[in-house]
Amino acid sequence: DVKVTQSSRYLVKRTGEKVFLECVQDMDHENMFWYRQDPGLGLRLIYFSYDVKMKEKGDIPEGYSVSREKKERFSLILESTSTNQTSMYLCASKGMGGTYEQYFGPGTRLTVT
Amino acid sequence: EDQVTQSPEALRLQEGESSSLNCSYTVSGLRGLFWYRQDPGKGPEFLFTLYSAGEEKEKERLKATLTKKESFLHITAPKPEDSATYLCAVQVYGQNFVFGPGTRLSVLP
Repeated sequence: DVKVTQSSRYLVKRTGEKVFLECVQDMDHENMFWYRQDPGLGLRLIYFSYDVKMKEKGDIPEGYSVSREKKERFSLILESTSTNQTSMYLCASKGMGGTYEQYFGPGTRLTVT
Repeated sequence: EDQVTQSPEALRLQEGESSSLNCSYTVSGLRGLFWYRQDPGKGPEFLFTLYSAGEEKEKERLKATLTKKESFLHITAPKPEDSATYLCAVQVYGQNFVFGPGTRLSVLP
């Protein structure tokens, strides 16, 4: 079974603090994704990576950056948090090519006060 | 613009009362349609992939079907443990996925 883990389940940060969310997958997947999920808006793609050190912006990259130094890890960085970044953050991974499904981690509920 | 909508937004069923959830899409080119189940506070769990109109997939009490413009998730004789939010997503090109807002299903005993 594919396993995707995220470093934290819940985080509470103050405005302006730096946040580092880490995602690890154990299935040697090439593709990894970061989404945020907000009520009524569904999942929105922040960034994805199709290989080590490769990344592409999604629909809402502003205020976020990512890092992928190893194939199994994909990190989402919020350099200076703001209250509008309060959300559920979901990481996903997917095999290369075709229309394989994405596998999701358990999510990180981030609250910025 | 690629778009996925789901209806209804929320659905309450009695245990054993069968029904269907709808996922409608307007996309430039469909590569695959995915159904996920999401429990509160957890990540989505993969259920089905459909690739072409006329295709059907089944798993226990769930059956997914696909037409050229929409997909249905049929739930037969649901149980309380089927209560969850059901998400639909389409892959349009490359690794680009568009998710619908979900249908929140409650099955009452």
